[in-house]
Amino acid sequence: GENVEQHPSTLSVQEGDSAVIKCTYSDSASNYFPWYKQELGKGPQLIIDIRSNVGEKKDQRIAVTLNKTAKHFSLHITETQPEDSAVYFCAASKVGNQFYFGTGTSLTVIP
Amino acid sequence: GAVVSQHPSRVICKSGTSVKIECRSLDFQATTMFWYRQFPKQSLMLMATSNEGSKATYEQGVEKDKFLINHASLTLSTLTVTSAHPEDSSFYICSFSGTGGLADTQYFGPGTRLTVL
Repeated sequence: GENVEQHPSTLSVQEGDSAVIKCTYSDSASNYFPWYKQELGKGPQLIIDIRSNVGEKKDQRIAVTLNKTAKHFSLHITETQPEDSAVYFCAASKVGNQFYFGTGTSLTVIP
Repeated sequence: GAVVSQHPSRVICKSGTSVKIECRSLDFQATTMFWYRQFPKQSLMLMATSNEGSKATYEQGVEKDKFLINHASLTLSTLTVTSAHPEDSSFYICSFSGTGGLADTQYFGPGTRLTVL
């Protein structure tokens, strides 16, 4: 089955700086890679996703890059704000199949 | 994005009782649903997957007679924890995926915090 690893487990950045979270996956057949943000006591919220036919996708301050050859993908958050503080999960799947989640990254943005 | 509601948000029950958690998709038809549990500071653990009108497929180690899942319609799924015990205390989260453009991803509910005394 698929195995997704996520690093780092915790990340602290100063407000305004950038944050980068990286994930690797094992199954080369995986073709869909979403990122979720989970605030304390709430369900995960989809923030951005990327499919295997695209190398990069950007939505305002958030971007995701995908390297299919190396089987890794990354979340980039620029100009971080305190409200970006949360736990972020990556996931990998084949479209229409179950998600395999990373172990999560706790991001703290220091004002 | 799609909106998923979950009820109740928190429940406290005595050991041995049963608890039902409802999950509804509010603005799309959910053909596939997933139930997860999440322990503090851990990732999401898939419990089961089901398609509307079909029996759920449970992950290894998840007791189907203990965690009853009913995917009643394209907008409603329920999880019943039967004869709950303290070790069942956890954060339970549902998610749905849809059809067409909504088939790729999963939309999560806000979660239910279950505490079994």
